Amino acid sequence: DAKTTQPPSMDCAEGRAANLPCNHSTISGNEYVYWYRQIHSQGPQYIIHGLKNNETNEMASLIITEDRKSSTLILPHATLRDTAVYYCIAAPYDQNFVFGPGTRLSVLP
Amino acid sequence: KAGVTQTPRYLIKTRGQQVTLSCSPISGHRSVSWYQQTPGQGLQFLFEYFSETQRNKGNFPGRFSGRQFSNSRSEMNVSTLELGDSALYLCASSAGGSGGTDTQYFGPGTRLTVL
Repeated sequence: DAKTTQPPSMDCAEGRAANLPCNHSTISGNEYVYWYRQIHSQGPQYIIHGLKNNETNEMASLIITEDRKSSTLILPHATLRDTAVYYCIAAPYDQNFVFGPGTRLSVLP
Repeated sequence: KAGVTQTPRYLIKTRGQQVTLSCSPISGHRSVSWYQQTPGQGLQFLFEYFSETQRNKGNFPGRFSGRQFSNSRSEMNVSTLELGDSALYLCASSAGGSGGTDTQYFGPGTRLTVL
């Protein structure tokens, strides 16, 4: 798996967009970018994934740069319930995930 | 569809004992992966089973083992427990098919405390 680098922590005001960056400069052509989050010792929750194109679902948007060396997860209107550790993972579809320390996002009232 | 379930949710054991944890994947999923999460080491991959065969293995000692049954349910076993085995053990299931993506869905975890 490609190594990913994320800021250790970020703050975001409630109701504003949260933009979480991830660097994966060594990503291979067959590696997808996955985002998960973990809320206080619960199991990680799948958010979104993508290969080359930008993706959007009911939870978030994923923006992947054209060279695929970095990506940004966007939570359009952050709520207090979005406070969690967010993990960015780059992995081929048939390989297991290598989790880094992630980004601790604090949504502030 | 029901999500991934893990039993028990909490467990307390003493050093030297052994423990078995159970995971039921999402219906139709054939791959089950196990992870250990500790404050010091974070989330670490233990092993993955697909169609009753271990397909991938992480860097853990042989005290950690697992198996998968024909209905895709999986168990992991830790023998001769050590204090350092205290952790949240997470199970994730995925379809396990070829091609495309293979998103993993995690269960709530089993919190193991070794005294």
